[in-house]
Amino acid sequence: AQSVTQPDIHITVSEGASLELRCNYSYGATPYLFWYVQSPGQGLQLLLKYFSGDTLVQGIKGFEAEFKRSQSSFNLRKPSVHWSDAAEYFCAVSPGGYNKLIFGAGTRLAVHP
Amino acid sequence: DTAVSQTPKYLVTQMGNDKSIKCEQNLGHDTMYWYKQDSKKFLKIMFSYNNKELIINETVPNRFSPKSPDKAHLNLHINSLELGDSAVYFCASSLQGLAGDNEQFFGPGTRLTVL
Repeated sequence: AQSVTQPDIHITVSEGASLELRCNYSYGATPYLFWYVQSPGQGLQLLLKYFSGDTLVQGIKGFEAEFKRSQSSFNLRKPSVHWSDAAEYFCAVSPGGYNKLIFGAGTRLAVHP
Repeated sequence: DTAVSQTPKYLVTQMGNDKSIKCEQNLGHDTMYWYKQDSKKFLKIMFSYNNKELIINETVPNRFSPKSPDKAHLNLHINSLELGDSAVYFCASSLQGLAGDNEQFFGPGTRLTVL
């Protein structure tokens, strides 16, 4: 069965520091991969997605993610974090066929001033 | 505004009651979804409809009954509410969901509290 693992439940970084959020997936073929962000009390917003092609994808708000097939990973990165980036981040996979999203457990990001 | 909207935003009710949550999208999408987010923030798909037809039903108790009167609306009716139904319910929509590669747009969520 397909699954998504986000090993870090909670991460705290200082404003201006770099950020990497980890995501590993379990799926037989190359899945469609997504990162969503959820601000407190809000719905989910898509940051970026990977379907095929260039394994480094750029998203909104200065985020990028790299797909590594050999490691079954799709880690999210940002070179310099802003206080407004504090939120819950979800990695998700769509196994194709039917467009359901399978989510990881999320990583809560806190940003220190 | 073009968006996915849900009503109500908050819903507090007693065990055993029946309640409905409404979802509407004006994005012209073909596929709509319901997700449940539990108290630990874990998100899991419940249902998906494509052009008013049910295509995904993820072993949800039959107390939950989705209804899609047209492809812009997907409502969720819950009978005999239980404490464990307390969660945030998110509606989402996407273009032609069968390919697996389309972005899903999420509504703001409905926080259901069962007392």
